[in-house]
Amino acid sequence: SQTIHQWPATLVQPVGSPLSLECTVEGTSNPNLYWYRQAAGRGLQLLFYSVGIGQISSEVPQNLSASRPQDRQFILSSKKLLLSDSGFYLCAWRAGTGFSGANVLTFGAGSRLTVL
Amino acid sequence: GQNIDQPTEMTATEGAIVQINCTYQTSGFNGLFWYQQHAGEAPTFLSYNVLDGLEEKGRFSSFLSRSKGYSYLLLKELQMKDSASYLCAVRDVLNDYKLSFGAGTTVTVRA
Repeated sequence: SQTIHQWPATLVQPVGSPLSLECTVEGTSNPNLYWYRQAAGRGLQLLFYSVGIGQISSEVPQNLSASRPQDRQFILSSKKLLLSDSGFYLCAWRAGTGFSGANVLTFGAGSRLTVL
Repeated sequence: GQNIDQPTEMTATEGAIVQINCTYQTSGFNGLFWYQQHAGEAPTFLSYNVLDGLEEKGRFSSFLSRSKGYSYLLLKELQMKDSASYLCAVRDVLNDYKLSFGAGTTVTVRA
């Protein structure tokens, strides 16, 4: 069965500090990988998605970047955090089979970031 | 892109029924999903509709009308553990890779 791991679960960072959130998926190959952000009381905003190693699509201009160094690894980074980067960050995966039925998006447990 | 609207909050009594509506606008509809999210946790998949009609899964049912750009999630025999946020999400045929989410409906179940 497939599992998704995301860490760290919680972190508090000062403004201007760097960020690295990591996500790995087990039990599947060539998944589509996603980073979403959920601000307090708001919906899920898609930040980045990747359909393969080294392939990153950015959805919104922002202070963040993403990388996919291996097939089942997805990293979210920032060189200098802003207060507005605070939120609940969710990594997700789905099978990389395109137009195929439900092909459910499955989320990791999330990383809660507070920038002070 | 998609415009997805759902009510912000709903309150219901334990044992009752609650219906959460979702309306959407998309250029190429290719599926609608409902997720449940408990406070502080990740969303979990509840249901999927791509054709018109009702999909039933135990106490939860989801309905879709593509011509109206409308879906609802029906929660029956409400339990306290059903208190959560319910997210409507739409997939577009022009960009199958993405799911766009509504802001979510927070359901509070009272004893």
